[in-house]
Amino acid sequence: ILNVEQSPQSLHVQEGDSTNFTCSFPSSNFYALHWYRWETAKSPEALFVMTLNGDEKKKGRISATLNTKEGYSYLYIKGSQPEDSATYLCAFRTLSGGGADGLTFGKGTHLIIQP
Amino acid sequence: DTGVSQNPRHKITKRGQNVTFRCDPISEHNRLYWYRQTLGQGPEFLTYFQNEAQLEKSRLLSDRFSAERPKGSFSTLEIQRTEQGDSAMYLCASSLEGYSNQPQHFGDGTRLSIL
Repeated sequence: ILNVEQSPQSLHVQEGDSTNFTCSFPSSNFYALHWYRWETAKSPEALFVMTLNGDEKKKGRISATLNTKEGYSYLYIKGSQPEDSATYLCAFRTLSGGGADGLTFGKGTHLIIQP
Repeated sequence: DTGVSQNPRHKITKRGQNVTFRCDPISEHNRLYWYRQTLGQGPEFLTYFQNEAQLEKSRLLSDRFSAERPKGSFSTLEIQRTEQGDSAMYLCASSLEGYSNQPQHFGDGTRLSIL
């Protein structure tokens, strides 16, 4: 059974502050790590797909890093805005084995930006 | 880009009834995935199709569940003899495989409530 852990479970951040959260995943048989943002009453939106150790990706104020050797990824949000309020999900794709092509998701980090 | 479309958005039914959901993927996408999400959990992989072939099924997919993608376009997910534990959000996603690590594009989901 693949285990993907996200922390913290929830986070309250003041508007304008920067924040970050963690995704931990198995370090063996790594294929890819996905990040999604899921706002209430909408569909999950893809942020990043990361495949290489040391990879860094950026989209506006949001960026992510990847360490496949130790099995973690960080998501950073700079200068948080109210529209950043959402649940941020990471998902692991393994190289082989059961569910190889389906994603294994963490439970998410629920981010609330306070004006 | 019409995105991934799921119908219905909500379904309320009595225990023991059969239900069927439909997913229309992004038209050029050859892969289609079904996930289930329950309260407090991340989405859990159920099954996926490449074109019309169902290539993988999770152990979560009991024999009461069946999925089809007859012409490699839309897909249906049927649950027979529904149980209370089937209450969840059912998410469909599609992607274009054959290129390294494309994100999955999700629909808005079908929320199933079993009375």
